[in-house]
Amino acid sequence: QVQLVESGGGVVQPGRSLRLSCAASGFTFRNYGMHWVRQAPGKGLEWVAVIWHDGSIKYYGDSVKGRFTISRDNSKNTLYLQMNSLRAEDTAVYYCASTSLFPYAFDIWGQGTMVTVSS
Amino acid sequence: QSLLTQPPSASGTPGQRVTISCSRSSSKIGSNIVNWYQQLPGTAPKLLIYNNNQRPSGVPDRFSGSKSGTSASLAISGLQSEDEADYYCAAWDDSLYVVVFGGGTKLTVL
Repeated sequence: QVQLVESGGGVVQPGRSLRLSCAASGFTFRNYGMHWVRQAPGKGLEWVAVIWHDGSIKYYGDSVKGRFTISRDNSKNTLYLQMNSLRAEDTAVYYCASTSLFPYAFDIWGQGTMVTVSS
Repeated sequence: QSLLTQPPSASGTPGQRVTISCSRSSSKIGSNIVNWYQQLPGTAPKLLIYNNNQRPSGVPDRFSGSKSGTSASLAISGLQSEDEADYYCAAWDDSLYVVVFGGGTKLTVL
């Protein structure tokens, strides 16, 4: 079935790095743009980044620009988020999401992976 | 700064019709295309409405979306207890190249 599964979350100290992965299955991953969306504890949804289907174009939210890098490997049906210089305010559940139905409409979501930035 | 503004809370009784508004501060948000998401407690969000008023397969027709000017609305008719959730509007801002989410509306079924 159609599925996105995130991994790589955990507890990390401020200033350190972490890489999240999102494994896709059940749909043609290489055809669609992919996004990362995060949600801090008790807060609303915040968009993090997008990557075009072929990896040619990437955009980022202001709060992560210059620190996070989105990438994908279409041969492995996997999306990544490299997070550097992590801050306490990056603590959140990170979701990957796909837009297979309509541009910028996230119709497939992963279950999320928790990232906690704390000393 | 692009912004989507939602009321923080809404409520209704079973069977009632409720609406949730989403007001846009930027006229360049995705040519007026707004999407809506439902997030049940402890779960990932789910796409409820896309392209202002389209329902993905499997979403009951009790849920409907509309837009007028710089505002969009989500309507839920025949309210049910399982509709108690957080609801978010979102849109692509094609001047800032970001997706903007509204702050979310917590719907309580009384």
